[in-house]
Amino acid sequence: AAGVIQSPRHLIKEKRETATLKCYPIPRHDTVYWYQQGPGQDPQFLISFYEKMQSDKGSIPDRFSAQQFSDYHSELNMSSLELGDSALYFCASSLTSDSYEQYFGPGTRLTVT
Amino acid sequence: RKEVEQDPGPFNVPEGATVAFNCTYSNSASQSFFWYRQDCRKEPKLLMSVYSSGNEDGRFTAQLNRASQYISLLIRDSKLSDSATYLCVVNMRNQAGTALIFGKGTTLSVSS
Repeated sequence: AAGVIQSPRHLIKEKRETATLKCYPIPRHDTVYWYQQGPGQDPQFLISFYEKMQSDKGSIPDRFSAQQFSDYHSELNMSSLELGDSALYFCASSLTSDSYEQYFGPGTRLTVT
Repeated sequence: RKEVEQDPGPFNVPEGATVAFNCTYSNSASQSFFWYRQDCRKEPKLLMSVYSSGNEDGRFTAQLNRASQYISLLIRDSKLSDSATYLCVVNMRNQAGTALIFGKGTTLSVSS
């Protein structure tokens, strides 16, 4: 079965640079979520979109923004990167009319040097 | 106090053992409950949803006690491949886009 696709899988950036992470949800899923997982930490919710509209917002820094496009893929834009932004960034998707179970992509490992 | 609390372990058990994980959540209004499994540097994978009536999937049994705000996971006949971190997860409200709240996870190591 098709899963959530994330790209790139690995990204190395320098401080103050920008980065864009992409997420392609499971086909037919209408909701996308972004999570950040630091080393030794549990995943922390950043932001979510339902039917291309922002639906919930968590601990997303003001330097980050995200959107969901007409084809339901989503992008997380990160600017003025800091060392502390180094983490695994997961995208998850769900089909709200079916259940609230969220299925995670393989993640993007971002390293800021 | 964290919203979802788990014993971090590690739980070190031999193959074939039965092991139980417990989890408590602080918000009585929480709506949905899940167990996820996460291998090192990989994504969380949904193991099972948890219902008040309890549910079983092969060697895995999950229970929810809403009155005590307590969730459990029982693994029978442990396999080496069960070694992973098990995350107790709560969804605060059943509506589109609601964030999952994760516990810090319980580490299981199954040895031969």
